[in-house]
Amino acid sequence: NAGVTQTPKFRVLKTGQSMTLLCAQDMNHEYMYWYRQDPGMGLRLIHYSVGEGTTAKGEVPDGYNVSRLKKQNFLLGLESAAPSQTSVYFCASRLWETQYFGPGTRLLVL
Amino acid sequence: RKEVEQDPGPFNVPEGATVAFNCTYSNSASQSFFWYRQDCRKEPKLLMSVYSSGNEDGRFTAQLNRASQYISLLIRDSKLSDSATYLCVVNGNAGNMLTFGGGTRLMVKP
Repeated sequence: NAGVTQTPKFRVLKTGQSMTLLCAQDMNHEYMYWYRQDPGMGLRLIHYSVGEGTTAKGEVPDGYNVSRLKKQNFLLGLESAAPSQTSVYFCASRLWETQYFGPGTRLLVL
Repeated sequence: RKEVEQDPGPFNVPEGATVAFNCTYSNSASQSFFWYRQDCRKEPKLLMSVYSSGNEDGRFTAQLNRASQYISLLIRDSKLSDSATYLCVVNGNAGNMLTFGGGTRLMVKP
């Protein structure tokens, strides 16, 4: 099992550009999450999904969109990137009370 | 006030020392509590759940005080490999979402 994988690992964007971050899990988990982690802020929940075809807003959803067309994939989109979105993005899937995280995507918006 | 608060540290301790971290949470309806470990530039991983009666896993002991709304983690006989950031995590009454503290950094020195 690969567990939770994230693509890409690192990306540099210019302000206003768009991109999609891909999260994939092979554990057949229903729940999936997108977080961002900034120094001193801990992990903050952006969006989450409780199953294929569902999405819900988390703590900091503005500027992001998500889709869960297939159970194993959870996509995070930035339509018009801003420097404030420079962060490390973690995806996670959940089984019972445990969340399993991917290795993260480091995003720099110039 | 943050929902989950931790002393960011760093806690610098010698090998073999005992060290304790505390964490406070604001939502009295919180149901589940956890400690996650995060190594530098890596993803968080579940260290242990925290049960009302307290629980131990090898050198690690976690305790919950619902009346005072705090959680503690005790590490005995610290190893160099224990150097990491320890994240206090609370599952609120929403059920689907975890709230992360900012983390406490531990550095174990030879």
